[in-house]
Amino acid sequence: QQQVKQSPQSLIVQKGGIPIINCAYENTAFDYFPWYQQFPGKGPALLIAIRPDVSEKKEGRFTISFNKSAKQFSLHIMDSQPGDSATYFCAAGLTGGGNKLTFGTGTQLKVEL
Amino acid sequence: NAGVTQTPKFQVLKTGQSMTLQCAQDMNHEYMSWYRQDPGMGLRLIHYSVGAGITDQGEVPNGYNVSRSTTEDFPLRLLSAAPSQTSVYFCASSRTGGNSPLHFGNGTRLTVT
Repeated sequence: QQQVKQSPQSLIVQKGGIPIINCAYENTAFDYFPWYQQFPGKGPALLIAIRPDVSEKKEGRFTISFNKSAKQFSLHIMDSQPGDSATYFCAAGLTGGGNKLTFGTGTQLKVEL
Repeated sequence: NAGVTQTPKFQVLKTGQSMTLQCAQDMNHEYMSWYRQDPGMGLRLIHYSVGAGITDQGEVPNGYNVSRSTTEDFPLRLLSAAPSQTSVYFCASSRTGGNSPLHFGNGTRLTVT
């Protein structure tokens, strides 16, 4: 059962473009939505996270937009750089549910010069 | 500060063989977990532990055993390897509570022939 659906599976943008990765969740009890970034040969690392009491969160060039009524959230990367080429995972979890996260299927992003 | 260390990095097994994937963390994290990463499937939780002596099943526990005798170590055992267990395995740790970020190791790539 896929509780967190992520799209697209892969994405190619030009340097300076704004890639957008979308996720949708089913469990309305989820109240924590992180994004993880993974480079080849490495484990994922936390990039940015949001809670459903805010609609947007920015950290540097990375922005999460959150739509609670639609049960969707997305990652935007402003002024994308070749160094942003990586696999991105969205996830959802429960505060009080320990640190168990349900991950999306991942998006492989390539930023070309 | 080593963080989360996984050994081995690569392993090839024959069907029916057993092995243990090692995971150690030096951050004094109470929470530890194992995920498997498969193409198109994202990261799926196998087992997790909220402290020494306490373990529980995740989304895909069948075919795997774990134990947690110390805070630092959380080994994953495959008792009788099957080709369906060919995957990349990630160990992750975090502080408990407050949606603390997961710290991942660099993974073990396992092939079962």
